Formats: sequence, C-alpha cells, structure tokens
Amino acid sequence: EAEVAQSPRYKITEKSQAVAFWCDPISGHATLYWYRQILGQGPELLVQFQDESVVDDSQLPKDRFSAERLKGVDSTLKIQPAELGDSAMYLCASRRGTYNEQFFGPGTRLTVL
Amino acid sequence: GENVEQHPSTLSVQEGDSAVIKCTYSDSASNYFPWYKQELGKGPQLIIDIRSNVGEKKDQRIAVTLNKTAKHFSLHITETQPEDSAVYFCAASWYNDMRFGAGTRLTVKP
Repeated sequence: EAEVAQSPRYKITEKSQAVAFWCDPISGHATLYWYRQILGQGPELLVQFQDESVVDDSQLPKDRFSAERLKGVDSTLKIQPAELGDSAMYLCASRRGTYNEQFFGPGTRLTVL
Repeated sequence: GENVEQHPSTLSVQEGDSAVIKCTYSDSASNYFPWYKQELGKGPQLIIDIRSNVGEKKDQRIAVTLNKTAKHFSLHITETQPEDSAVYFCAASWYNDMRFGAGTRLTVKP
C-alpha cells in the first residue's frame, strides 16, 4: 500500500540552527500539505501545494519558514533560524484530487533546545 | 475561514461500551468531513469520512452522522476495544481547504 514518506522521523536541534524536513507524497497525488501539530492540538496548515505551485501559505511564518516542491513531486520544509516555540510534530499529507481523502505521513518530531 | 470545534477533549469508556465524539463547523460551504485516528508518535490515519450529500455512514463498529442544517457531525464507536484507545480528530473541508478539531483522547479500559 502506497504511503507518504517523511524524513527524518526525529530531529533535535539548538535554537538559531537551520533544520530541513523532507516529504515524498503518494505517487500521482498532485496536492501536498505541510502541517504543524503542537502537542495536544490538531494539525494546523502551514503550506499547501498544487503540483509545484503554492496554493496557500497564509499561515507560514515566512520570516523563518520556507517550503518548496520544485518538480511537483517531493517537498522540503525549512526553518532558519529555529526557535524554541518551533518544537512540534511536522506532518506532511497528500491528496489525489480536490475531493479525495488526505493521507498523512508519520511526521517529523522536532525538538528545539 | 472554517472553524471546527470538537468535544469532549477526553473520553474514558469501559471496554464494550460505546463512545461518541461530536464536532461542529462554521462554514456552510464545507462538504467533506473525515475522521482521523492518531496513535502516539504516528501520523493521523483516516478511519471514516462522510460527504455532505449523505446523512450517515457506517463501517463495522464505526459510524458517522452529519446534520448539515445544524452544522454538526459525530463519530460513533460501538463495542469499544482497548486498541481503539488513541486521539481522534474530526475535520471539515471545502475544496482544498481542511480544518481540524483539537482532538479527543479516547481511553478504553479493559
């Protein structure tokens, strides 16, 4: 069964350092999402791609966060510099079409010290 | 934008009992309502979903009901088992936009 892949699964970094997360969606899924999930809360959308184009990045803190999906397949989310408040689970999800279900990857647990 | 509220935040039931989790949404344009189960350290997994043209959907021990007029939908789990223990999230979606509730931590006591 096809799955959304994410790496790394865990990342510990010090504040002010740069971190990057990678996501490989299910093959053929044009829509890709990055979410941030703080412990005890639901996922919150950071950025949404349709193929290689950003559809919604209104909740992305653009002063420190960036995301790209250059060839419309895999995607990278970067934080530079990391802050203590960035500690969270970063989830990637993909969707085939507008009205199809969204599949999540296992997430990357980020701890900023 | 869409706002999804979910209740209760925690729910504890005895094995074999039923569990009900309720969500309300604010945007009447939302037309797709999935429910996700998230186990510790894992990403959310879809367990059931319902579209706005359907009032109820059932899959074995899990059912979801939708009241479009009142803008609320519920997850029903019957004959609960210890492996049902997890955090459950509801979501409401229109087009490509999906908003999640804050989650319900369900504990099923053996």
